[in-house]
Amino acid sequence: QSVLTQPPSVSGAPGQRVTMSCTGSSSNIGAGNNVHWYQQVPGTAPKVLIYDDTNRPSGVPDRFSGSKSGTSASLAITEVQAEDEADYYCQSYDNRLSGWVFGGGTKLTVL
Amino acid sequence: EVQLLDSGGGMVQPGGSLRLSCAASGFTFGNFAMVWVRQAPGKGLEWVSSIFGGGNGPKYADSVKGRFTISRDNSKDTLYLQMSSLRVEDTAVYYCAKGEGAEMTNYHFDYWGQGTVVTVSS
Repeated sequence: QSVLTQPPSVSGAPGQRVTMSCTGSSSNIGAGNNVHWYQQVPGTAPKVLIYDDTNRPSGVPDRFSGSKSGTSASLAITEVQAEDEADYYCQSYDNRLSGWVFGGGTKLTVL
Repeated sequence: EVQLLDSGGGMVQPGGSLRLSCAASGFTFGNFAMVWVRQAPGKGLEWVSSIFGGGNGPKYADSVKGRFTISRDNSKDTLYLQMSSLRVEDTAVYYCAKGEGAEMTNYHFDYWGQGTVVTVSS
């Protein structure tokens, strides 16, 4: 059971907007620790998509955006494309565990 | 160009040992914290261990504490993970990754190795 909770799956048709959530607690997201998002295509290493809640590394399309409120964070993908089909993980730091924690991952299916 | 090259994985019996390596290039290795993250077959990502740029402050997940030891050789730009008393549940792809951020509590992992497979089985 992951410290950060993500829905196992989300789906959307090409061109639609999809969102996925990441729910934590007062010892991680709620403590003000930043949330980061990774995209992982099966068989490859994860790639950072969003860091420090809302920032996109260079090269990441602006279709991807992050937000945070209270003990939760969200990743939104506007105009989803077939190439976005992958697993998405949120990550933060947990003060109680004194370590970094990941969500269980959300599989995005593009219909 | 930043590159991380993981190696050292393999098959080992329960109770055995293995040492993973991660060769870094393209950045000033000693200036950055490094981490190991693993992914069991069909499962999500799990932070395993981390170490600051100067080699201080090693941290471990409870699942590996007392069995795994992280270290680094900044003269060789290489990160290590010594794994002992291995269990079946340690079977996973192990990735090294570079830490980035102003404070430890806000680190994210901006570059990842390709991963090395560790299989613990009798």
